[in-house]
Amino acid sequence: QVQLQESGPGLVKPSETLSLTCTVSGGSVTGSYWNWIRVPPGRGLEWIGYTHYSGNSKYNPSLKSRVTMSVDTSKNQFSLKLSSVTAADTADYFCARWESNQKAFDIWGQGTVVTVSP
Amino acid sequence: EIVLTQSPGTLSLSPGERATLSCRASQSVSSTYLTWYQQKPGQAPRLLIYGASSRAAGIPGRFSASGSGTDFTLTVSRLEPEDFAVYYCQQYDSSVLTFGGGTKVEIK
Repeated sequence: QVQLQESGPGLVKPSETLSLTCTVSGGSVTGSYWNWIRVPPGRGLEWIGYTHYSGNSKYNPSLKSRVTMSVDTSKNQFSLKLSSVTAADTADYFCARWESNQKAFDIWGQGTVVTVSP
Repeated sequence: EIVLTQSPGTLSLSPGERATLSCRASQSVSSTYLTWYQQKPGQAPRLLIYGASSRAAGIPGRFSASGSGTDFTLTVSRLEPEDFAVYYCQQYDSSVLTFGGGTKVEIK
């Protein structure tokens, strides 16, 4: 049973870079497309983008200029970097697996809250 | 970018009642890529329905969904206490993946 676990700082200063990691257990990070999704306080879900171990990544156009995602096969992890953060980037960040047959997010991490504040 | 509009924003119902949630797209969506999720406070979203109408593994039969083109519907035939949550629809059109704003189903 594949499980995902997010990790990273819960507090980031404005203008700095938010960095999160998602560890994949019970399966290989080489097998799927891996996504980041966030939920700002009081708002709905926002897709940030996906990455694949082949190096193929796609990002939400609204965030594309600030987002980098990558996969570390040696650690069975994938990561998110979001640069030049502002208070608007405060959110609950989830990693999730895109299941290619169902074409949906079938496995999610528990989420990690990131607050952008001085 | 395809915008998904969910209605109503909040649905106040009693256990045992039927819930009907709407998801309307700004342009036609492939049914293959129309998905519904349930999210409870403090939890990750849970996959309910994929391909517009197929229940995910472990999802009870009281959940059903239908629709095509720009209009999609999620129905909960008889609400159980654990069904009170926020429901999101989601689509992917090969350029960007978007979610609806969500419908909160609350206890009346």
